[in-house]
Amino acid sequence: AQSVTQPDIHITVSEGASLELRCNYSYGATPYLFWYVQSPGQGLQLLLKYFSGDTLVQGIKGFEAEFKRSQSSFNLRKPSVHWSDAAEYFCAVSGNEKLTFGTGTRLTIIP
Amino acid sequence: GAVVSQHPSWVICKSGTSVKIECRSLDFQATTMFWYRQFPKQSLMLMATSNEGSKATYEQGVEKDKFLINHASLTLSTLTVTSAHPEDSSFYICSAPSWTSGGRELFFGEGSRLTVL
Repeated sequence: AQSVTQPDIHITVSEGASLELRCNYSYGATPYLFWYVQSPGQGLQLLLKYFSGDTLVQGIKGFEAEFKRSQSSFNLRKPSVHWSDAAEYFCAVSGNEKLTFGTGTRLTIIP
Repeated sequence: GAVVSQHPSWVICKSGTSVKIECRSLDFQATTMFWYRQFPKQSLMLMATSNEGSKATYEQGVEKDKFLINHASLTLSTLTVTSAHPEDSSFYICSAPSWTSGGRELFFGEGSRLTVL
């Protein structure tokens, strides 16, 4: 069965600082990996996805993620966060169109 | 990108009543839609897969008689929470797949927050 672990429940970062959100997955074959962002009371917006090819994936809003098969990881990064990046971030894995989500990481930005 | 819309965004109902939530794909057709449930400060759990013209496929542990799903057309799926109770209070989100330049992608609705008194 597929699963996703996001070890950090809550992360606080200063505005302008760099960010890395961790994601580890478990899947029997080559996974499809996703990062979504959710603002309070809102639906989900796709930041980026990995299907195959280049293991460094660029997404929207200046985010990127790197697929590391040896570590079963797909960490999300941003070089300089903005106050508007404060939200809940979910990593997800899929072998088809059914997504399995991690428990999420809440990002707080301080001035 | 493709747009998925849910209605209502917020609903408050009395215990014992039934509530219907609609999920519409506004600019594309979807033979399949997915319904998720999200408890406060928790992740999204897949409840069921809605299939146009046939029965929905429910995940293990989800009561199909409690959560009725109907996929009546290629742009509309509905979730009806029957005889709602306070423990059914949650955030319900639907999604539908569509093709983009980057391949097949899931698009999510804005979510519907149900509060059962």
